[in-house]
Amino acid sequence: DTAVSQTPKYLVTQMGNDKSIKCEQNLGHDTMYWYKQDSKKFLKIMFSYNNKELIINETVPNRFSPKSPDKAHLNLHINSLELGDSAVYFCASSQDVAGGTEAFFGQGTRLTVV
Amino acid sequence: AQSVTQPDIHITVSEGASLELRCNYSYGATPYLFWYVQSPGQGLQLLLKYFSGDTLVQGIKGFEAEFKRSQSSFNLRKPSVHWSDAAEYFCAVGPRGYSTLTFGKGTMLLVSP
Repeated sequence: DTAVSQTPKYLVTQMGNDKSIKCEQNLGHDTMYWYKQDSKKFLKIMFSYNNKELIINETVPNRFSPKSPDKAHLNLHINSLELGDSAVYFCASSQDVAGGTEAFFGQGTRLTVV
Repeated sequence: AQSVTQPDIHITVSEGASLELRCNYSYGATPYLFWYVQSPGQGLQLLLKYFSGDTLVQGIKGFEAEFKRSQSSFNLRKPSVHWSDAAEYFCAVGPRGYSTLTFGKGTMLLVSP
């Protein structure tokens, strides 16, 4: 009964490729997020979606394109992968977009670009 | 812009000893404050959060944190550490308007026998 699930858990790919990471939440939440954790474990918000609508885009390169087909899913597509994209990507969800709402995180996808 | 500082990159504590992890934040007003824990290869789990009211907040796994407005701090404490507490701990702040989080750089807790 995983609340927030991401696939794949590990992804190794070559520079220049295009890849997608999928995220699904079964909590009935309205808001979903993508966070990036770099090699120094620093976590930073990338995107936030509320009811399938983009509400926050934190100056992420446009090679990153999130897609939310419904409010239970938020996929992350990355074009033309670069070495610097190597990181752990976390999907999360919360009840709504209001401040202070608890976020539930997936287990992360470790992306390695070679 | 808001920011979070966790001054200790890693801390080693003997099993059974007490623990305090430091967190300082910078924000124009009182934000929402959180502590998350990340075990190796796992996602983040919420330990506790502060919104308002009592400045001493109780969380899961025997953790507590105290909000001190005058020091802009939200330190995490546990009276007796267990080996299973070894993990990375992240302090985070959230603005009152949106649910996105700004994280500190984390403190790695090592527990020695």
